[in-house]
Amino acid sequence: NAGVMQNPRHLVRRRGQEARLRCSPMKGHSHVYWYRQLPEEGLKFMVYLQKENIIDESGMPKERFSAEFPKEGPSILRIQQVVRGDSAAYFCASSLTGSENTEAFFGQGTRLTVV
Amino acid sequence: AQSVTQPDIHITVSEGASLELRCNYSYGATPYLFWYVQSPGQGLQLLLKYFSGDTLVQGIKGFEAEFKRSQSSFNLRKPSVHWSDAAEYFCAVGGSNTGFQKLVFGTGTRLLVSP
Repeated sequence: NAGVMQNPRHLVRRRGQEARLRCSPMKGHSHVYWYRQLPEEGLKFMVYLQKENIIDESGMPKERFSAEFPKEGPSILRIQQVVRGDSAAYFCASSLTGSENTEAFFGQGTRLTVV
Repeated sequence: AQSVTQPDIHITVSEGASLELRCNYSYGATPYLFWYVQSPGQGLQLLLKYFSGDTLVQGIKGFEAEFKRSQSSFNLRKPSVHWSDAAEYFCAVGGSNTGFQKLVFGTGTRLLVSP
């Protein structure tokens, strides 16, 4: 059973370009969470999605960032018009259910560098 | 606001020596507490968690942690460190109503193991 798969592992974008980060949850998992880790900081919650629904996006920046988890395919975190401050590691986690005691498993992360 | 403090950025321990990583949290409600480990190039792996009950929690790889409500602490311990334990360790807190879903992480402690 493969773990949470994130791709690409490393992504370089020029300022103003778009970044698309993909997350394939563990098999059977329908709940996905995105976190961002800025340099020298801990992981910060961004968004919690269930298939075709955004459950909690309280950690998402108001502009340029969006996330989706379609019925088929991976979850996508999209950053439009990237700026240098978007450079960070983005982690995705998935869980089988949304119950508070259901473990969430993390992927290896995507390291985004904006040049 | 919820927060987690890991006061030690780096710790170096001799192989075979004991280890204690500190974690203090601030959380308004009943906390759920977690320790994760991240090896280079890997995703975060759950070491152990505390939801309720016995305040001394056993985890994987010989780790344990003790919840002390009066000190708002959840320190991680291991009696004898192995070279393979060299990694970054993150303490995290979640709410009893959100659990794994919306974690607040500390900035991490990087453990170095000397021969």
